[in-house]
Amino acid sequence: DTAVSQTPKYLVTQMGNDKSIKCEQNLGHDTMYWYKQDSKKFLKIMFSYNNKELIINETVPNRFSPKSPDKAHLNLHINSLELGDSAVYFCASSQGLSGTDTQYFGPGTRLTVL
Amino acid sequence: GQQVMQIPQYQHVQEGEDFTTYCNSSTTLSNIQWYKQRPGGHPVFLIQLVKSGEVKKQKRLTFQFGEAKKNSSLHITATQTTDVGTYFCAGPGAGSYQLTFGKGTKLSVIP
Repeated sequence: DTAVSQTPKYLVTQMGNDKSIKCEQNLGHDTMYWYKQDSKKFLKIMFSYNNKELIINETVPNRFSPKSPDKAHLNLHINSLELGDSAVYFCASSQGLSGTDTQYFGPGTRLTVL
Repeated sequence: GQQVMQIPQYQHVQEGEDFTTYCNSSTTLSNIQWYKQRPGGHPVFLIQLVKSGEVKKQKRLTFQFGEAKKNSSLHITATQTTDVGTYFCAGPGAGSYQLTFGKGTKLSVIP
């Protein structure tokens, strides 16, 4: 069984469209994250949720809206997509909020905005 | 805010040569974690170091945590093509739970 899964794996869309990426973890973890990895491989945290509550919201355009219906799911909705949104988006989870907790990453969603 | 810097950004080595990547933090770290991302893959946890001066080994990989807990290194002995990928260090600042990732070192191994 996949520990952290994301759908879709690939997403190609036109500028201006709205799209969603879904993430699910079956590890029983309390904390989930969204990261953006650009073409230079820089991993930048976008959002962090703990027990469905938003904990971290880095400087991310408000076109990005995360939603956590329960502890096992963290979805990412993006409005009015722009060329600069093209990247790989990783979902991750950890046991809790402790800085010593290991993070488990999903396989990633490669978003291409044309 | 906390910064985690990694060098080098890229490293090309001949198979069988050694490889080292270095990680430096602007603040003291409560722990440091290392992740490996294979080409086309996702970051996978390798190891965590917690104690000052700690050294841990995983087969050909040796991880060190500095005495001041502000720097770390990963050394691979006799690289193999299976070592190809990007290696990231990550650490939370003191009192912080948020992990900050370094920019990674991309390792290429020439057979």
